[in-house]
Amino acid sequence: AQSVSQHNHHVILSEAASLELGCNYSYGGTVNLFWYVQYPGQHLQLLLKYFSGDPLVKGIKGFEAEFIKSKFSFNLRKPSVQWSDTAEYFCAVNAKIKAAGNKLTFGGGTRVLVKP
Amino acid sequence: GAGVSQSPSNKVTEKGKDVELRCDPISGHTALYWYRQSLGQGLEFLIYFQGNSAPDKSGLPSDRFSAERTGGSVSTLTIQRTQQEDSAVYLCASSLDRGLFQETQYFGPGTRLLVL
Repeated sequence: AQSVSQHNHHVILSEAASLELGCNYSYGGTVNLFWYVQYPGQHLQLLLKYFSGDPLVKGIKGFEAEFIKSKFSFNLRKPSVQWSDTAEYFCAVNAKIKAAGNKLTFGGGTRVLVKP
Repeated sequence: GAGVSQSPSNKVTEKGKDVELRCDPISGHTALYWYRQSLGQGLEFLIYFQGNSAPDKSGLPSDRFSAERTGGSVSTLTIQRTQQEDSAVYLCASSLDRGLFQETQYFGPGTRLLVL
């Protein structure tokens, strides 16, 4: 079974600061990787995803993530955050096998507060 | 286009009562998932429907939980004899299912359940 760890539970930073959120997973096989975001009062939205190919993926709102297979990591980055990036961020993984049924395993989430 | 919809958005019930939560997936999505988001457990998988196949119920926490999907579209999650620990946000997601093992799940707004 897969598991996902997000190392930071809470992050507070000022506007224009750079953001990096860590995500590590444990699974021996091939995986799909996702970052979802939940803005205050809103539902989970897809930020970006990695299925295969270029390990550096770009998502919406200036976010990007890099898949490092050797480290089982999929860290999320944004060079310069805005107040509107205040949200909770979830890393998720599913295994590329039929038996897994595409079901997602989520990390515990990281609450990000951007101070204006 | 229309996203995943869920109803009710909020539900308050008394311990011991049964509740039904409804999910309408995105039109054309043959895969449907239920997850639960709670303070203590984070986001956890409950059950997964894929086309006409038998559902994957491996995430259901007890036999008080059940779900069905009628006509390959709408799904209902039923919790019998609710307990206070059932209080959580119940999320529904849907996706295409093309057998490629790389699908994106789109989430609904959730039903916030409070068991008194």
